Amino acid sequence: DAKTTQPNSMESNEEEPVHLPCNHSTISGTDYIHWYRQLPSQGPEYVIHGLTSNVNNRMASLAIAEDRKSSTLILHRATLRDAAVYYCILMYNNNDMRFGAGTRLTVKP
Amino acid sequence: DTGVSQDPRHKITKRGQNVTFRCDPISEHNRLYWYRQTLGQGPEFLTYFQNEAQLEKSRLLSDRFSAERPKGSFSTLEIQRTEQGDSAMYLCASSFSGGSTDTQYFGPGTRLTVL
Repeated sequence: DAKTTQPNSMESNEEEPVHLPCNHSTISGTDYIHWYRQLPSQGPEYVIHGLTSNVNNRMASLAIAEDRKSSTLILHRATLRDAAVYYCILMYNNNDMRFGAGTRLTVKP
Repeated sequence: DTGVSQDPRHKITKRGQNVTFRCDPISEHNRLYWYRQTLGQGPEFLTYFQNEAQLEKSRLLSDRFSAERPKGSFSTLEIQRTEQGDSAMYLCASSFSGGSTDTQYFGPGTRLTVL
């Protein structure tokens, strides 16, 4: 199974950028990199995904290393509402997501 | 609200009882997933359906667990003879399999407490 490694926790100040890293050294060529986040007492929420190229959407940016063995989720201006657990997931077989423990992001006012 | 809904949101039961949870996916989604999440851990995949067919089951899904999606719309997850170790959040997600990768949309979950 392709696995991901993320720091257990990170802190950020409000309105500052946050870079959340993820290592996935055993990624295969067809694995997509997905990021979800889970706010307290809610189900996970889709953030962004990519395959090889960097991706941007209204929530975040995803920077993927050239060898695809790591990626970084970038929140450009963290707000208190961004405090959540962020999961980096490799999607293979187009259906079965394997979540790790994720990174708990704390945003300080 | 057109998101994924789950019912009930909370269930408290005694050990040995049977429980059933319901998930209503986003209406045009043909795939439906069940996950289990214990405190401090990420969700663990249990099973998924494409339309009414159950295509994959995790080894976590013991014989006491059964899931159905009879008409390819809503799904139920039943746990028979509940054990204290079944206490967890049960999450449902749905997606539309139209591209090279799926985006799954999650419901709020059903929190099960087994006494």
